[in-house]
Amino acid sequence: QVQLVQSGAEVKKPGASVKVSCKASGYTFTNYYMHWVRQAPGQGLEWMGVINPSGDNTNYAPRFQGRVTMTRDTPTNKVYMELSSLRSEDTAVYYCAREGLGGGNVWKAYDIWGQGTMVTVSS
Amino acid sequence: DIQMTQSPSSVSASVGDRVTITCRASQGISSWLAWYQQKPGKAPKLLIYTASSLQSGVPSRFSGSGSATDFTLTISSLEPEDFATYYCQQANSLPTFGQGTRLEIK
Repeated sequence: QVQLVQSGAEVKKPGASVKVSCKASGYTFTNYYMHWVRQAPGQGLEWMGVINPSGDNTNYAPRFQGRVTMTRDTPTNKVYMELSSLRSEDTAVYYCAREGLGGGNVWKAYDIWGQGTMVTVSS
Repeated sequence: DIQMTQSPSSVSASVGDRVTITCRASQGISSWLAWYQQKPGKAPKLLIYTASSLQSGVPSRFSGSGSATDFTLTISSLEPEDFATYYCQQANSLPTFGQGTRLEIK
């Protein structure tokens, strides 16, 4: 079935980096944009950025520019989100989410989500 | 950034009630609006896209309407499984989400 499976929980110290993976299965990986969304404990959803199907173009939310890098690896059907210079405010669940293709189907919305990866930043 | 403001922030209702949640954009976004449902400890689930299109598999008691700056999500008759938090999200420019509306059992 169509699914996104993310890597496991991480605990990092302030100033460190974290790299979260998201493995796609059940569909043609190279057809879809992939987004990353995070959710701090008890808070709402925050969009972080997007990577295009071929992996050669990204667009990041201004508040993460310079600290986030999104990549994808076609042979393994994986996308990655790396966040650097971590601070306590980065403690959150990080989700990957597939953007629908349009053309009579889901368009400009996220139809498939990963299960989430908890990242804890603590000294 | 386009700001998305949902109201109410929380609402209490009973099974069988009709509930409406509104979402207002700080500038026009055409019909580029989606609605998601999130339950505790789970990823969000897409309900509605392009303001009024029902995602496959979502019950027909959910409906969306609106355009430009004002949008609504309506649940026509609440079921027990509908008690959750709901988010709107605009996709006209860099995506942004509303702050969420918690739907609680009265």
